[in-house]
Amino acid sequence: QQPVQSPQAVILREGEDAVINCSSSKALYSVHWYRQKHGEAPVFLMILLKGGEQKGHDKISASFNEKKQQSSLYLTASQLSYSGTYFCGTFREGSSNTGKLIFGQGTTLQVKP
Amino acid sequence: DTAVSQTPKYLVTQMGNDKSIKCEQNLGHDTMYWYKQDSKKFLKIMFSYNNKELIINETVPNRFSPKSPDKAHLNLHINSLELGDSAVYFCASSLSNSPLHFGNGTRLTVT
Repeated sequence: QQPVQSPQAVILREGEDAVINCSSSKALYSVHWYRQKHGEAPVFLMILLKGGEQKGHDKISASFNEKKQQSSLYLTASQLSYSGTYFCGTFREGSSNTGKLIFGQGTTLQVKP
Repeated sequence: DTAVSQTPKYLVTQMGNDKSIKCEQNLGHDTMYWYKQDSKKFLKIMFSYNNKELIINETVPNRFSPKSPDKAHLNLHINSLELGDSAVYFCASSLSNSPLHFGNGTRLTVT
């Protein structure tokens, strides 16, 4: 039931790009992306609803392919402030799934100067 | 001004004790959650309530009991604490399936 994220960890230099993937074995209604910095709470980045949409947030964007049941988070021209652990969270289809946001295992991103 | 507040921030206690963590949100959200984050950073959902009704009760020992007196509060009581209960516990809230707002976490250490 838990979505699977890949890779588990990424180390980048400032200015480099990264992609984090999130896959589910079940049909999805929506995908959430969150970032958690060390010692802090997770913070919401963006939400994608089924329909194959893409969203952007500064130099961070994401896509959702509902047929493949997967989402990808794209970080371009990474900055030091991008360091942290990224989680995808998925809501499965079905009206009975309110309150059932399940997170992937997380991807740790470290950006070095 | 705080959106989701949970107390205490740190909790150090001995095995066998009973403790509670409180959570309150002032965002007008209808859904509240408890997540446990272990040392490997995995965020595991424990409970969620929608309009004070229990929605999710994952495979959590009976020693953990959530209580939602109203839509703005979701407390977590833990009986007979064990070493394995040591973790960071996050409360969160949302409006149905909209983005979650997290509290700052409670770091529980059982000795």
